[in-house]
Amino acid sequence: IQLTQSPSLLSASVGDRVTLSCKGSQNINNYLAWYQQKLGEAPKLLIYNTNSLQTGIPSRFSGSGSGTDYTLTISSLQPEDVATYFCYQYNNGLTFGSGTKLEIK
Amino acid sequence: EVQLVESGEGLVQPGSSMKLSCVASGFTFSNYGMNWIRQAPKKGLEWIALIYYDSSSKYYADSVKGRFTISRDNSKNTLYLEMNSLRSEDTAMYYCAIDSVPFAYWGQGTLVTVSS
Repeated sequence: IQLTQSPSLLSASVGDRVTLSCKGSQNINNYLAWYQQKLGEAPKLLIYNTNSLQTGIPSRFSGSGSGTDYTLTISSLQPEDVATYFCYQYNNGLTFGSGTKLEIK
Repeated sequence: EVQLVESGEGLVQPGSSMKLSCVASGFTFSNYGMNWIRQAPKKGLEWIALIYYDSSSKYYADSVKGRFTISRDNSKNTLYLEMNSLRSEDTAMYYCAIDSVPFAYWGQGTLVTVSS
């Protein structure tokens, strides 16, 4: 399964509601996760099974979607959210998306 | 606290070999499968290998099959990745990760550069 993330680069202001998209080439059956990777760090798991928040992750992060289309939403962008965000499917094989780089405007 | 610490970073020439290690602590290493995942510079992430908790099964991505070997020593809480016939496209940050669905615990990574 191929994953296509959009946009590849997103610039937004602090406090904005931000939406990142991930589209699969086939049905992912909700076996989709989201990772945050800050510069020089390992990826951190944010969301699993489409909409389950990993322990310790702020509630401003949420996930949704079904079938082939999935979304990560940050309800109020904070400066510490600057990072690259990857989606990851584990329904059929293991595939990561190419990432969305999120910047502060 | 779960900790995974990779080592073995270095610069090698194409065609050469290299061995990476990942030392685990904070959990019962012998109970969990382990993975290697890599990330080429400014690129996405690629799963490359999985080993079961007892080494009974090993799986590889097509891109490394036949060249890389994953192994572990449960007495030393250590995971290994032996890499042979290295190519420029193997240049990447290599992470070890506990086998969970999805991967929740990762090391900080070790950088492998293949260049002449």
